[in-house]
Amino acid sequence: EDKVVQSPLSLVVHEGDTVTLNCSYEVTNFRSLLWYKQEKKAPTFLFMLTSSGIEKKSGRLSSILDKKELFSILNITATQTGDSAIYLCASLRGANNLFFGTGTRLTVIP
Amino acid sequence: DAMVIQNPRYQVTQFGKPVTLSCSQTLNHNVMYWYQQKSSQAPKLLFHYYDKDFNNEADTPDNFQSRRPNTSFCFLDIRSPGLGDAAMYLCATSIQGGNQPQHFGDGTRLSIL
Repeated sequence: EDKVVQSPLSLVVHEGDTVTLNCSYEVTNFRSLLWYKQEKKAPTFLFMLTSSGIEKKSGRLSSILDKKELFSILNITATQTGDSAIYLCASLRGANNLFFGTGTRLTVIP
Repeated sequence: DAMVIQNPRYQVTQFGKPVTLSCSQTLNHNVMYWYQQKSSQAPKLLFHYYDKDFNNEADTPDNFQSRRPNTSFCFLDIRSPGLGDAAMYLCATSIQGGNQPQHFGDGTRLSIL
């Protein structure tokens, strides 16, 4: 059975801290690993990772994929209160099927 | 500018009364998806259209159906909503092939009375 497991389930940090969110996966027909940020509305796309070992960066966020060990991490440096959200990891199975983890709820307190 | 638009944002219906949720897109993407997300759970794919080809997930209840009359619009029909169908319903789009990310609408939160 396919699985996408995120840890921790929730995390509370202070502004300025650095956080690392984890995602492990076991899925059939794996194509890529995606990260989304979900506040009160739609998941917002952050990164898509297809190749191992290549870090993707966007401002204070970065992510990397390890296809041998079947996991990915999402790093956020110098966290801000606006980073508070649920971070969803999803595996793309085949061409169109996104299989999501249950997310990590990040709370950044001032 | 909104690119994947879902209406309404909130929908209330009665137990057993059919309801339709709508999604439109301005991205001209050829794939459209419907997800169900219950409270504190991951979004779960119900079905998707690749152009006009409908692809149902094996565990999607028969109570859920979809229509895609043209590239821009896709509808989710729930024939006889039960209390367990209360959830956020998310529409997403993508370009087929080439490992493209899915882009989500803001969702419709469905409540069942």
